[in-house]
Amino acid sequence: DSGVTQTPKHLITATGQRVTLRCSPRSGDLSVYWYQQSLDQGLQFLIQYYNGEERAKGNILERFSAQQFPDLHSELNLSSLELGDSALYFCASSVGQAIANEKLFFGSGTQLSVL
Amino acid sequence: DAKTTQPNSMESNEEEPVHLPCNHSTISGTDYIHWYRQLPSQGPEYVIHGLTSNVNNRMASLAIAEDRKSSTLILHRATLRDAAVYYCILGRTGDKIIFGKGTRLHILP
Repeated sequence: DSGVTQTPKHLITATGQRVTLRCSPRSGDLSVYWYQQSLDQGLQFLIQYYNGEERAKGNILERFSAQQFPDLHSELNLSSLELGDSALYFCASSVGQAIANEKLFFGSGTQLSVL
Repeated sequence: DAKTTQPNSMESNEEEPVHLPCNHSTISGTDYIHWYRQLPSQGPEYVIHGLTSNVNNRMASLAIAEDRKSSTLILHRATLRDAAVYYCILGRTGDKIIFGKGTRLHILP
């Protein structure tokens, strides 16, 4: 158990809908990272937050947004969903803000299926 | 973004050592080399990391070339539970943490 909690584990929805994925980091970790993993794209970095502030952005679509709350949990909002958004979404956490020797701890992911 | 190159897949026999290579020719002096692995239906998990010297822990060993442009993750005695995708990534302060496609390791019984 990594200590990172993601909910829900599975989500099935329809095209055009909006969903929210939730992540609770390990106790004491200030950074949260979101990754998307689809079969053909591997593990794609979406966005990182540190202590409530956005720190780094990857190839995150404009239809996607995220935030980190004062209690350090984070939510990833996906809107106007398309079939191609079906993927595993992972959250990870770390103590600091992407320091070179920092370890990431990953949750078990949310499997999103868009029908 | 710091980039690494790994073979797409490798095979090894159970109970034999496994050497997983990684090239990182554009590594800078302060970049750390990290390895993670992802077991089937799970999130990635940290394996080991190092800067210049070889590193050992209970899971694996990390051998880093003298010029730091390549490294090798060594599993000393592979078991079926080691079948996973292994990712080699570079940790650079202030930079995005980018995973490539990794090496899919198959263990033959």
